[in-house]
Amino acid sequence: GDSVTQMEGPVTLSEEAFLTINCTYTATGYPSLFWYVQYPGEGLQLLLKATKADDKGSNKGFEATYRKETTSFHLEKGSVQVSDSAVYFCALKGSSSASKIIFGSGTRLSIRP
Amino acid sequence: DAGVIQSPRHEVTEMGQEVTLRCKPISGHDYLFWYRQTMMRGLELLIYFNNNVPIDDSGMPEDRFSAKMPNASFSTLKIQPSEPRDSAVYFCASSLSQGGRATEAFFGQGTRLTVV
Repeated sequence: GDSVTQMEGPVTLSEEAFLTINCTYTATGYPSLFWYVQYPGEGLQLLLKATKADDKGSNKGFEATYRKETTSFHLEKGSVQVSDSAVYFCALKGSSSASKIIFGSGTRLSIRP
Repeated sequence: DAGVIQSPRHEVTEMGQEVTLRCKPISGHDYLFWYRQTMMRGLELLIYFNNNVPIDDSGMPEDRFSAKMPNASFSTLKIQPSEPRDSAVYFCASSLSQGGRATEAFFGQGTRLTVV
């Protein structure tokens, strides 16, 4: 069945460092791909999405490109801030009408001032 | 729009008691999801509905769990009887279909359940 595998955390970086959180997926057809962010004590918020191959989703300085050839959707940011500290989830939605949204295990990111 | 609204935000109950969690999805959304989040198991999909009809309940842990969606603006998740291992944060999410497919999900703030 469909699945998402993402980089184990926690990830700790210094402010202004470059961030990459890896995400790969297994799915039939053409799923939609998402990154969600969860700040402490809150629900998940959509960060960005891509619905077809080679699409690039971007928001708040974060980017991810839908790579069908490598079945990947890695999250990147050029210069992280302390406020980016959160848990990040990669997710996919399968291409059939009854498909559910499947989440990866989450990657906790901590940014040091 | 107020977003997905869940109540209560926190619930502490004794083992064996019935617990009911409530969710109001975003108006006009036709998909509703219930998730459970724990440190050990991460984010698990319990059940989801499309147009108030349950589509997949394979994630419901056992018969003690039940979910209903009597109308497009309200859903409940009930645990009876509750056990300490049910302690978790329960999230409700909704989404709007495009071309018959659900798009991204919008999450509520969750209900933190503690069973003692």
